[in-house]
Amino acid sequence: DGGITQSPKYLFRKEGQNVTLSCEQNLNHDAMYWYRQDPGQGLRLIYYSQIVNDFQKGDIAEGYSVSREKKESFPLTVTSAQKNPTAFYLCASSISRDQETQYFGPGTRLLVL
Amino acid sequence: AQSVTQLDSQVPVFEEAPVELRCNYSSSVSVYLFWYVQYPNQGLQLLLKYLSGSTLVKGINGFEAEFNKSQTSFHLRKPSVHISDTAEYFCAVSDRGNTPLVFGKGTRLSVIA
Repeated sequence: DGGITQSPKYLFRKEGQNVTLSCEQNLNHDAMYWYRQDPGQGLRLIYYSQIVNDFQKGDIAEGYSVSREKKESFPLTVTSAQKNPTAFYLCASSISRDQETQYFGPGTRLLVL
Repeated sequence: AQSVTQLDSQVPVFEEAPVELRCNYSSSVSVYLFWYVQYPNQGLQLLLKYLSGSTLVKGINGFEAEFNKSQTSFHLRKPSVHISDTAEYFCAVSDRGNTPLVFGKGTRLSVIA
């Protein structure tokens, strides 16, 4: 089945540690996105990538980093510079930058201990 | 920049009653409009979308939405809700594919038996 997978479903981090969230898609989509979801705030865009080896900052990129070395993979690293990382993180993809119908993964919930 | 306003953060409704979830966006330029649904601890699922053509758009699970350019609105409706419709609903907009999606803060629909 085609789709987007995110792992792990739950992730615990100690303060001061970096942590990487995985996002993989087998839909052959060019564009991929990372969102952060907090209660009552909707989805906020962290980073997006329209093509391999290229990515752009979204509205809340500070404290996060990404890479796009392969078309099917778009990992997100939450660095120690992110002061309030506890949230639900959603990855999405779309066919291209002009096709804005985005398809979402199941999400990863990050908790800071 | 686009912005999206979902006027109601929570909407309680009795089972088999009709419901309307309201969405307004900021700009009157050509837009793509979307409604997504999110069940607890899951990713987002596309309900319906407006790209062009007929202003009345039908989606999955019996939902429909009407694009009103003069009022910059894209309200979601269902004539008779079911318990299984209990979820959070997000409206999203982009400027004809030239910008990433902008999401509203969501409306939590609670269907009461």
